[in-house]
Amino acid sequence: EADIYQTPRYLVIGTGKKITLECSQTMGHDKMYWYQQDPGMELHLIHYSYGVNSTEKGDLSSESTVSRIRTEHFPLTLESARPSHTSQYLCASSASFFGLMNTEAFFGQGTRLTVV
Amino acid sequence: GQQLNQSPQSMFIQEGEDVSMNCTSSSIFNTWLWYKQDPGEGPVLLIALYKAGELTSNGRLTAQFGITRKDSFLNISASIPSDVGIYFCAGQGAGGTSYGKLTFGQGTILTVHP
Repeated sequence: EADIYQTPRYLVIGTGKKITLECSQTMGHDKMYWYQQDPGMELHLIHYSYGVNSTEKGDLSSESTVSRIRTEHFPLTLESARPSHTSQYLCASSASFFGLMNTEAFFGQGTRLTVV
Repeated sequence: GQQLNQSPQSMFIQEGEDVSMNCTSSSIFNTWLWYKQDPGEGPVLLIALYKAGELTSNGRLTAQFGITRKDSFLNISASIPSDVGIYFCAGQGAGGTSYGKLTFGQGTILTVHP
């Protein structure tokens, strides 16, 4: 059972609003990821982090920003939401490759964002 | 960035049939993972592979890590209606700027007719 949680599950918000999608994991994983996915489509990496104070842009350009102040917390922020941001956002975490733990990535349930 | 080619894109099968899907890449991966995603949910890990040539089973699922480290396949035997969903392969980068990053395939949409 993966202990990674995303809130909210669903969010409908007006254009121009600032939003923060929350992601928390209790597994002590150092690596965390944000993926963007349209229905039935592939997952696109938009941000990742190898640990506290480490954040990198993913393969898909995104106007969102992330922060990693605590190991367990990796929030994603959109300063001004637009309809083109409508999508599902998935958070994941995994342990370090050089650790003794497995390196499987575990996903949260996702946040379905709709910007109207 | 790295790319994974997953095939087939979709499959329509009868209950009881076996299913096979695969992923290939031009890059080497350290880890191959297979996930299943139900509508509106996050992907759930099915099988993880860590060594070239490794063959791993999880119930009716069997997956293999290719010898070249550039491919993997997933087989589902005796499919049942609850196997319906989208299956994704994912590879974890082996080095350089791709080290540790997970790259996903495009997904295989599986439909099982009772």
